[in-house]
Amino acid sequence: AQSVAQPEDQVNVAEGNPLTVKCTYSVSGNPYLFWYVQYPNRGLQFLLKYITGDNLVKGSYGFEAEFNKSQTSFHLKKPSALVSDSALYFCAVSQRAGFQKLVFGTGTRLLVSP
Amino acid sequence: DTGVSQNPRHKITKRGQNVTFRCDPISEHNRLYWYRQTLGQGPEFLTYFQNEAQLEKSRLLSDRFSAERPKGSFSTLEIQRTEQGDSAMYLCASSQGQLLDIQYFGAGTRLSVL
Repeated sequence: AQSVAQPEDQVNVAEGNPLTVKCTYSVSGNPYLFWYVQYPNRGLQFLLKYITGDNLVKGSYGFEAEFNKSQTSFHLKKPSALVSDSALYFCAVSQRAGFQKLVFGTGTRLLVSP
Repeated sequence: DTGVSQNPRHKITKRGQNVTFRCDPISEHNRLYWYRQTLGQGPEFLTYFQNEAQLEKSRLLSDRFSAERPKGSFSTLEIQRTEQGDSAMYLCASSQGQLLDIQYFGAGTRLSVL
């Protein structure tokens, strides 16, 4: 069975500094990896996905993620954090190519201070 | 707004009562998913429709839960004889039906069982 671990409940970063939100996964076979963001009273919003190809994936709002097969990681990154990036971030994995059931991590709260 | 719509946004009910939630997916999206999210956790998959066919159900979906998508458009999720443990955010998502396409989430229905 597939699983995702987000080891940090919360990440604090100052505005303008780079940020990293960590994610590791476990699947048998090829992983299909996703990052979503959740703002209060709003649904999950898609940020980016990794299917195959380049290990560095670029997504919405200046976010990117680096896929590392040997470390089974898919960390979310942004070069310069904004206060408006403060939200709850979820990493998710899908194992089966034909059916996209997502298995989510427990989420990481990102707090960007002015 | 052409996003995924869920109604009601909040539902408070007494233990033992039946509740029904509705999800209107993005127009022409073939796939529809239901997830459940409890406090401090990531969303957990409940069930999935391809058009009107319910193709997979999680073991989390007990006999008290039933989901339908009668015409392949909107979907309903009914919980019979609610229990306090059913209190959660119920999320609906839809996707176009392509291989590894993006799931778009609604804002969810928050259920509180007293």
